Amino acid sequence: DQQVKQNSPSLSVQEGRISILNCDYTNSMFDYFLWYKKYPAEGPTFLISISSIKDKNEDGRFTVFLNKSAKHLSLHIVPSQPGDSAVYFCAGTARNNFNKFYFGSGTKLNVKP
Amino acid sequence: DVKVTQSSRYLVKRTGEKVFLECVQDMDHENMFWYRQDPGLGLRLIYFSYDVKMKEKGDIPEGYSVSREKKERFSLILESASTNQTSMYLCASYRLLGELFFGEGSRLTVL
Repeated sequence: DQQVKQNSPSLSVQEGRISILNCDYTNSMFDYFLWYKKYPAEGPTFLISISSIKDKNEDGRFTVFLNKSAKHLSLHIVPSQPGDSAVYFCAGTARNNFNKFYFGSGTKLNVKP
Repeated sequence: DVKVTQSSRYLVKRTGEKVFLECVQDMDHENMFWYRQDPGLGLRLIYFSYDVKMKEKGDIPEGYSVSREKKERFSLILESASTNQTSMYLCASYRLLGELFFGEGSRLTVL
């Protein structure tokens, strides 16, 4: 049973526009979330995190929003750039459970020039 | 600069062979993880370790074992490789209240 779900396998966006990637989770104990970006044949690289005590966290072009009541996260990339084309994974954990991170299946973002 | 190093980027093995995948981190992290990545399935946790000699099963431990004899090193062992273990294997270490640091990955093909 997947505890973290990314229901959109792919997303295509024009350069300069906003990319919105969505993520849902089922475990109400999750209190810490991460977003990663992955290029083919490389390890995932960390983008941004959010704790359940917040509903928003920003870092440059990346903003993550957390809606705890809906068990939903979203990652906004503004403005999108061709170099952002990659697979994006969200992950969640309950920090009192050995920090065992559960990942979604990923969304492949294509930013068109 | 923090680093997680996986011993082999690409391996090709035959069915039934024993396979060792090694991972070393230089950050003095307590927690280390092994994931496998498959298309459409994301990253699935195989095993993790929260201290030397301590290990816990993840979601898909069958066919795998692990070893953590030193804090910086976490090894994944396939006792008898099978074709359904062909995958990308990712090691990670964790900084508390921070993020998972991943290695470059090991692409294993079992023929």
